[in-house]
Amino acid sequence: RKEVEQDPGPFNVPEGATVAFNCTYSNSASQSFFWYRQDCRKEPKLLMSVYSSGNEDGRFTAQLNRASQYISLLIRDSKLSDSATYLCVVNDRGSTLGRLYFGRGTQLTVWP
Amino acid sequence: DADVTQTPRNRITKTGKRIMLECSQTKGHDRMYWYRQDPGLGLRLIYYSFDVKDINKGEISDGYSVSRQAQAKFSLSLESAIPNQTALYFCATQRTGDNEKLFFGSGTQLSVL
Repeated sequence: RKEVEQDPGPFNVPEGATVAFNCTYSNSASQSFFWYRQDCRKEPKLLMSVYSSGNEDGRFTAQLNRASQYISLLIRDSKLSDSATYLCVVNDRGSTLGRLYFGRGTQLTVWP
Repeated sequence: DADVTQTPRNRITKTGKRIMLECSQTKGHDRMYWYRQDPGLGLRLIYYSFDVKDINKGEISDGYSVSRQAQAKFSLSLESAIPNQTALYFCATQRTGDNEKLFFGSGTQLSVL
């Protein structure tokens, strides 16, 4: 079973729409969670960390549900510039490394 | 200038050739990583290093080797390239204790014919 699972999409939404992505993780000992954004053939960049209480950054809201082991990302009022692949990332504190595990990404296209 | 620099940006080579990908950083981070990305498979860890001369295998290290002779540099070698090593390669850095965020280089697209 893969450490981090994401719906690959693609999600195709019009400008102004609200879209939500979910991600599940397998290791209940995981302690740190992130969403990264990756544009086509570019490097991933940190979008936001995900905190237990949930957090918001402008149009982006991240939620963590430890009991169900899933993370969500909500994008409100989608912009054309939001088109990208969104990577769910989890730190596996259960290993000796504490290293980051990446989901395969969810592709979003926002159309005019 | 980029904080994490990868060279070359693109490389086409033939099966059996030795290839080296370079990564250098000006962030002063102690941890460095090499990932490869294939369509539909996401990022997979090849090797990582927590300090100079510290080398650790990731999930797909076979066919690769690395060198960390200085804190700022982490090189990846393919001793004898094969076509299924065609991929987009990323170097990343991380500062221990810095909320575990990774900072990526711009990537190297490697094609093995």
